[in-house]
Amino acid sequence: QKEVEQDPGPLSVPEGAIVSLNCTYSNSAFQYFMWYRQYSRKGPELLMYTYSSGNKEDGRFTAQVDKSSKYISLFIRDSQPSDSATYLCAMRGVVYSNYQLIWGAGTKLIIKP
Amino acid sequence: NAGVTQTPKFRVLKTGQSMTLLCAQDMNHEYMYWYRQDPGMGLRLIHYSVGEGTTAKGEVPDGYNVSRLKKQNFLLGLESAAPSQTSVYFCASTRGTPSYEQYFGPGTRLTVT
Repeated sequence: QKEVEQDPGPLSVPEGAIVSLNCTYSNSAFQYFMWYRQYSRKGPELLMYTYSSGNKEDGRFTAQVDKSSKYISLFIRDSQPSDSATYLCAMRGVVYSNYQLIWGAGTKLIIKP
Repeated sequence: NAGVTQTPKFRVLKTGQSMTLLCAQDMNHEYMYWYRQDPGMGLRLIHYSVGEGTTAKGEVPDGYNVSRLKKQNFLLGLESAAPSQTSVYFCASTRGTPSYEQYFGPGTRLTVT
C-alpha cells in the first residue's frame, strides 16, 4: 500500500462548479501538507501549503487537513478552464532530514467551458 | 532569476546509449532532487543531494547515477539506457526550513528505443 493515495481521475466538471480533490495517507507522522498544480508539459508549482490540521484559504482555493482521518482536500470554487491541470498532493513529517516529500499520483482535472 | 533550468528538453536514445541530464538552480538551495514521472505513478524520487559533494539514493535509483560537484548543479546520468527509462525527468530544489517548497524545472522528455 502506498503511503499517499490519490485518485488519478480524470475529473471533468463544468465551468463554475466547486471542485473537491482529495488524498488519503497512512503515516500519522506527516505534519506538512502541500498541493502542487502541474500544467501539461510543465513542472509542478506549489499552490497551497498547510502545517498540521485545519483550513487555509487563498482566493478561490481552500486546503483542508483532517489528521484524525488522515485525509486532505483541496477545494476550488468558481472553477475556470484555466484551472485544468493535474493536482498533486505532497506531504512530509518532521523527521525527514533530507526534506523529502511523499507524493500522491496526481489527479487530472478538466474544467469544461 | 531563472529558477531551475534543465537541459536538454527532449532526447531520444537507443538502448545501451548513455547520456547526462543537467539541472542548474540559481537560488542557492542546498537540497536538490531528481524525479521521474510516469503516467498514473506520480513523481518518484531517483536520487537526491543535501549539499555540494553529497548524493543519496531515492526510491528508484537503479540504472542512474548522479553528481553534485557544484552547489548549483545536479547531474543525472544514464550509463546504459533501457526502454524502461522512457519517462519525463524533473529536477527540483529547496532551501529546506522554514518552507519546504520544492521548485521544479521544466522537465526533460526522454525516449529510449
